[in-house]
Amino acid sequence: AQSVAQPEDQVNVAEGNPLTVKCTYSVSGNPYLFWYVQYPNRGLQFLLKYITGDNLVKGSYGFEAEFNKSQTSFHLKKPSALVSDSALYFCAVRGSPGSGNTGKLIFGQGTTLQVKP
Amino acid sequence: NAGVMQNPRHLVRRRGQEARLRCSPMKGHSHVYWYRQLPEEGLKFMVYLQKENIIDESGMPKERFSAEFPKEGPSILRIQQVVRGDSAAYFCASSLNPTDTQYFGPGTRLTVL
Repeated sequence: AQSVAQPEDQVNVAEGNPLTVKCTYSVSGNPYLFWYVQYPNRGLQFLLKYITGDNLVKGSYGFEAEFNKSQTSFHLKKPSALVSDSALYFCAVRGSPGSGNTGKLIFGQGTTLQVKP
Repeated sequence: NAGVMQNPRHLVRRRGQEARLRCSPMKGHSHVYWYRQLPEEGLKFMVYLQKENIIDESGMPKERFSAEFPKEGPSILRIQQVVRGDSAAYFCASSLNPTDTQYFGPGTRLTVL
């Protein structure tokens, strides 16, 4: 069965410090991996995705994520956090086309990022 | 290019009433996905539709819930005889093709009294 785990309910960092939000996954076939951000009472905004190619993926607002196949992880990172980055972050996975994968996303439980001034 | 549109943004229903949630995908997108976010939980897949066809409804409750995406007009998620447990945020997403990025609407927050 496909699944995503975000082991931390909340991550606290000081502004200007680097941040990491963790994500591990389980999926049949090659994974398609995504990060989304949700601000209060808003929809999800797409940050970045990994399909194939370089393991380090760069996305919106200075975020990046590193795909690690051996550890089945896709951690979200940013070198220098901003207070405005405070939000709820979701990791999601879908299986590669075929093998019964229809395109639906499986989401983690979400991690609240709190960046303090 | 307008993003994914959902309406209403907020919907209040009494137990036993019907709720109809609408989703207009991004221009040019013919693939629509519905997800539900219960309080303090992540998003759960409900149904995937492509114009006039239901492709995957593995996440839909067996009773009271239905979805459609007609040739013309928005996709509709319909909940009959709502119960308090249906209170949640319902998000729609669309994509250009099944392997492309899904872009999300602002959601409809359903409250059942």
